[in-house]
Amino acid sequence: EDQVTQSPEALRLQEGESSSLNCSYTVSGLRGLFWYRQDPGKGPEFLFTLYSAGEEKEKERLKATLTKKESFLHITAPKPEDSATYLCAVQARRPPGTYKYIFGTGTRLKVLA
Amino acid sequence: DAGVTQSPTHLIKTRGQQVTLRCSPKSGHDTVSWYQQALGQGPQFIFQYYEEEERQRGNFPDRFSGHQFPNYSSELNVNALLLGDSALYLCASSLFSKGTEAFFGQGTRLTVV
Repeated sequence: EDQVTQSPEALRLQEGESSSLNCSYTVSGLRGLFWYRQDPGKGPEFLFTLYSAGEEKEKERLKATLTKKESFLHITAPKPEDSATYLCAVQARRPPGTYKYIFGTGTRLKVLA
Repeated sequence: DAGVTQSPTHLIKTRGQQVTLRCSPKSGHDTVSWYQQALGQGPQFIFQYYEEEERQRGNFPDRFSGHQFPNYSSELNVNALLLGDSALYLCASSLFSKGTEAFFGQGTRLTVV
């Protein structure tokens, strides 16, 4: 069964204290892995798509990496405005025409000033 | 360029009632997916519509139904509401031919009392 597990569930960082969020996945052929940011009561905001092991994407203080079994979201020198829940989702290649996302439960990040 | 829009933003219904939620996809997108997100959980896939047909369905009962219109907008209908249906309902739009990143609306917060 396709599955996504995120850790830790919650993370508190001091401003400027870099860290990484983990997303472990089991999927029957990975089409893509996606990172989203979600603020309370809002819809997820797209951050990155990763397609193959070894791929990396960067945006401001965020960097996403992918291996065959997990993805990391590295946050460098975070600021209070980076506080949010970060969601990881995978999309499987099979069956054909499968486009649903399977989400993890997210990591709630709190950055203290 | 308007993103994904959902209406209403908040809704309170009584157990046993029926509800209809609406979604307009991002300009240029032709596929709409619906997700249910309970508090503290990741979004769960309900179903996906493309070319006015339900293409995929998650593990949700028949009380959940939908529709897609020729202009690609979509509705989610839930009959015989249960207390457990209280959640944030998210609409995501994408381009079927690419099947990659989806963009989410701000969600509809449904409370069943």
